[in-house]
Amino acid sequence: EVQLVESGGGLVQPGRSLRLSCAASGFTFDDYAMHWVRQAPGKGLEWVSGISWNSGSIGYADSVKGRFTISRDNAKNSLYLQMNSLRAEDTALYYCAKGPAAVLRDYFDYWGQGTLVTVSS
Amino acid sequence: EIVLTQSPGTLSLSPGERATLSCRASQSVSSSYLAWYQQKPGQAPRLLIYGASSRATGIPDRFSGSGSGTDFTLTISRLEPEDFAVYYCQQYGSSPVTFGQGTKLEIK
Repeated sequence: EVQLVESGGGLVQPGRSLRLSCAASGFTFDDYAMHWVRQAPGKGLEWVSGISWNSGSIGYADSVKGRFTISRDNAKNSLYLQMNSLRAEDTALYYCAKGPAAVLRDYFDYWGQGTLVTVSS
Repeated sequence: EIVLTQSPGTLSLSPGERATLSCRASQSVSSSYLAWYQQKPGQAPRLLIYGASSRATGIPDRFSGSGSGTDFTLTISRLEPEDFAVYYCQQYGSSPVTFGQGTKLEIK
């Protein structure tokens, strides 16, 4: 059974940093692209960032480019999102999501339950 | 980027009825790379349809997707009580991938 478990969320002041993690199990992690998708309270879904199976291809939404960094450790079956210079508009539930293949531009076949990031002073 | 517009914003129907949800793209979605998701309150989204018309694993056959180019439709043939939720479309034919704003399907 595919499981994606996010952690690392919390309350953080504007301008500060936070690192999210996603622990994956139930599938061969290094065969698939992985993504972060967020959902602001009461709002819709927004793709944040994605990384191909071997980290050779990485993409970011314009809203986070230059501030967020995605990475993965295939030996640890883990996905990460380093979030710097956080803003109030980054407040959201952050989901870890699995792509159905190794390529970056794709849909998402499994999702974690999310970790909440709140940016506020 | 491709903007997806879903309609209606809210759809009020009764169990047993047929639901038709629309997703319109601001430009053609290449190769019908369009997916549909269902999200219930407090839960993560669940993949229903990919490639515009292929059902994901374990999805009942009352869910069907159709369309191409800029116009796509999700149809639920006979609504079950558990189908009342928010539905999102997503295109993955162009970067960045984008989502529609959602259609809330509520019990009438």
